[in-house]
Amino acid sequence: KAGVTQTPRYLIKTRGQQVTLSCSPISGHRSVSWYQQTPGQGLQFLFEYFSETQRNKGNFPGRFSGRQFSNSRSEMNVSTLELGDSALYLCASSGDRSGSSYEQYFGPGTRLTVT
Amino acid sequence: ELKVEQNPLFLSMQEGKNYTIYCNYSTTSDRLYWYRQDPGKSLESLFVLLSNGAVKQEGRLMASLDTKARLSTLHITAAVHDLSATYFCAVGGPGGGADGLTFGKGTHLIIQP
Repeated sequence: KAGVTQTPRYLIKTRGQQVTLSCSPISGHRSVSWYQQTPGQGLQFLFEYFSETQRNKGNFPGRFSGRQFSNSRSEMNVSTLELGDSALYLCASSGDRSGSSYEQYFGPGTRLTVT
Repeated sequence: ELKVEQNPLFLSMQEGKNYTIYCNYSTTSDRLYWYRQDPGKSLESLFVLLSNGAVKQEGRLMASLDTKARLSTLHITAAVHDLSATYFCAVGGPGGGADGLTFGKGTHLIIQP
């Protein structure tokens, strides 16, 4: 079974630009969560989508948004980029919430650098 | 607000020694995760602990959970160099299922020959 895939793997953007990152979960998984990892703040939860609906959201400004498509693929968007948005963005997929699968499988991440 | 504290944050040890990483969390949770991260890489799942008294072992690593004390431990037995990595514990929110995880700051483990 293929793992979680994220594209692109590396990205360099300029302050003020916007960026879209993509995540394809493991086949059959309907939940996708996004996390930001920085040296200063560590790993922080951004949001979680299940069946195209945002179920949970972390404490991030509205510049961070996401969506999920009917095939469970998810995108996150960051508008008006700031230097502090430079980070490794990880997505994780997991099985149906109503099932017994609590495991979260992480993708390889997208390394975003804002200059 | 759920808070997760790991200690120590840095650990340098010799091969063959045993050591324990501690993970305390502040509110009730039904899920405790341990992950490993190598430099420049993503997170690799090690253990998911779902109930009080749960103990899981894989090779030289053993994790346990005490929900009453809100404490999980990751014990390393007879450490080898390949176990050098950063280890994170993470706690699931009270909503159950696949809620967002709250991570500890990580334990940077260096195992020297």
